[in-house]
Amino acid sequence: DTGVSQDPRHKITKRGQNVTFRCDPISEHNRLYWYRQTLGQGPEFLTYFQNEAQLEKSRLLSDRFSAERPKGSFSTLEIQRTEQGDSAMYLCADEEAFFGQGTRLTVV
Amino acid sequence: GQQLNQSPQSMFIQEGEDVSMNCTSSSIFNTWLWYKQDPGEGPVLLIALYKAGELTSNGRLTAQFGITRKDSFLNISASIPSDVGIYFCAGQSPRPGNNRKLIWGLGTSLAVNP
Repeated sequence: DTGVSQDPRHKITKRGQNVTFRCDPISEHNRLYWYRQTLGQGPEFLTYFQNEAQLEKSRLLSDRFSAERPKGSFSTLEIQRTEQGDSAMYLCADEEAFFGQGTRLTVV
Repeated sequence: GQQLNQSPQSMFIQEGEDVSMNCTSSSIFNTWLWYKQDPGEGPVLLIALYKAGELTSNGRLTAQFGITRKDSFLNISASIPSDVGIYFCAGQSPRPGNNRKLIWGLGTSLAVNP
């Protein structure tokens, strides 16, 4: 049990729909990261929060993606107008080292 | 983006054998991490290394942070069937600010024959 929880574990959505994922890190940890992982690859950095401030975003994070961490605790990652290429495992990590179980997104 | 060179890509071994895998980078890192990932799950941290030359063990696992700060290896001794999975190395490079995002290898897929 890493202490980082993600919800949902799996999401199947039709192309064009919006989806939102949630991450609950260990409560006292300030840094929170979102990564994306496709089959056969290592995770790729998407974005990073220090408390409630989003301090860095990868170029992978197109304008259809938005992440928030409103009170410096849990975080959400929203994908608008999903595309088949968005299908991947979305991972949340806190203090850069401890990962949640991920949300597997499948866009059909 | 930047990636680490991780080898071998896959291994198929007999139960009880020792295993070794490594990662190299063209740039220096100040932290090396080794993870194991099972299908459909997030990566689980096995060993963290913070100092060049550091050798750290976690049960049957041993990892070292290379002196040049550009490489690391992971050894698994006396493998057992539950060692099956994908092992990833990840590193953090020195950079300004407080973002400690990880750069990842492509993984080593380990299969253990009982």
